[in-house]
Amino acid sequence: DAKTTQPPSMDCAEGRAANLPCNHSTISGNEYVYWYRQIHSQGPQYIIHGLKNNETNEMASLIITEDRKSSTLILPHATLRDTAVYYCIVNLNRDDKIIFGKGTRLHILP
Amino acid sequence: SAVISQKPSRDICQRGTSLTIQCQVDSQVTMMFWYRQQPGQSLTLIATANQGSEATYESGFVIDKFPISRPNLTFSTLTVSNMSPEDSSIYLCSVVDRGKGSYGYTFGSGTRLTVV
Repeated sequence: DAKTTQPPSMDCAEGRAANLPCNHSTISGNEYVYWYRQIHSQGPQYIIHGLKNNETNEMASLIITEDRKSSTLILPHATLRDTAVYYCIVNLNRDDKIIFGKGTRLHILP
Repeated sequence: SAVISQKPSRDICQRGTSLTIQCQVDSQVTMMFWYRQQPGQSLTLIATANQGSEATYESGFVIDKFPISRPNLTFSTLTVSNMSPEDSSIYLCSVVDRGKGSYGYTFGSGTRLTVV
């Protein structure tokens, strides 16, 4: 079973920041938080990952709470192309098989 | 990052027949993973394919139904055998991307299978 809980769907206005929450209350100390997204009819795409510290790359920012029981993926300026299903995944290391949960379907509204 | 070529991209098959899906990676990888995505659902891991050993299947998936080959470090096939309409899904392969600056998994574009 997936180790994460995400809201099934969210809406966000184009140009605004999209904040996608994820609960992973059973995460262990050496497990990473990964985020992927799946745009319709495509394979999932890696977005970002983190262990303890907040992370930022060209796609998004990842905020992990101090107790590591939850995290938030932030798309700073959402566009219509960001409409996708976003998956939050907990993995021991990148060689681990990925077990997908149901994800959050993000709708970007024009 | 790694580039995966998956074939066919889609197919319509008769029930009772079999379809073999191919996954070619442009770099050598130790493990390849096969997933199924049923309509409107999330991805479900079918099996992990290591070169030189038998694939490891997840609960609910068996080798007789989904035989996997892994002849070398850049190629794998998944066969969907004795198909029924319930096998209509998207099938995807993935690998750990060890390219410079890469951290996650790379996925193929998927094979959309319809069984009639």
